[in-house]
Amino acid sequence: ELKVEQNPLFLSMQEGKNYTIYCNYSTTSDRLYWYRQDPGKSLESLFVLLSNGAVKQEGRLMASLDTKARLSTLHITAAVHDLSATYFCAVDPQSTNFGNEKLTFGTGTRLTIIP
Amino acid sequence: DAGVIQSPRHEVTEMGQEVTLRCKLISGHNSLFWYRQTMMRGLELLIYFNNNVPIDDSGMPEDRFSAKMPNASFSTLKIQPSEPRDSAVYFCARGRGLHTQYFGPGTRLTVL
Repeated sequence: ELKVEQNPLFLSMQEGKNYTIYCNYSTTSDRLYWYRQDPGKSLESLFVLLSNGAVKQEGRLMASLDTKARLSTLHITAAVHDLSATYFCAVDPQSTNFGNEKLTFGTGTRLTIIP
Repeated sequence: DAGVIQSPRHEVTEMGQEVTLRCKLISGHNSLFWYRQTMMRGLELLIYFNNNVPIDDSGMPEDRFSAKMPNASFSTLKIQPSEPRDSAVYFCARGRGLHTQYFGPGTRLTVL
């Protein structure tokens, strides 16, 4: 059974600081996705990582994938209050030829940015 | 806009009643997914369809749950009879190949 673990589960950080959220998974996969969820809202796609060494950046967020270590990171640079949300990673174990069919989500990291 | 419409947005019902959740896709797609989110169990995939055909329903909790996709843009998730432990937010999502899945706004179900 595929397991996807995120840490930390909760993160409270000050504005302007840098931090990293980690996503470890238990089976071979080179497809990993990051999502953001605001309280009471739906999930919003942030990044799609489709190969070893993939790096994607959008604003103050940067995601990377190391398939050999089965690890993805989401790095936050100079945090601002608007980044407060819950962040999920999700892994596609490539069980089908279609791709992106059976995502297993991590537990989520609830990020709170303190002024 | 994710191109996914869910209805109702909120549903409150009593134990034993039948509940039907609906999902409409606006744009073209390959796949449709039903997820359930709770504090205890997180986000779980219940079932997904590809080209209107159910591919994997191993996440459906029990026989009380059923899902259909009668055409390329519409799906229903039915719970009969409902129980308090079914209370959750149910999301419908659409996907296409290796691209990300796009989630609808969700239906918050409360079973009393």
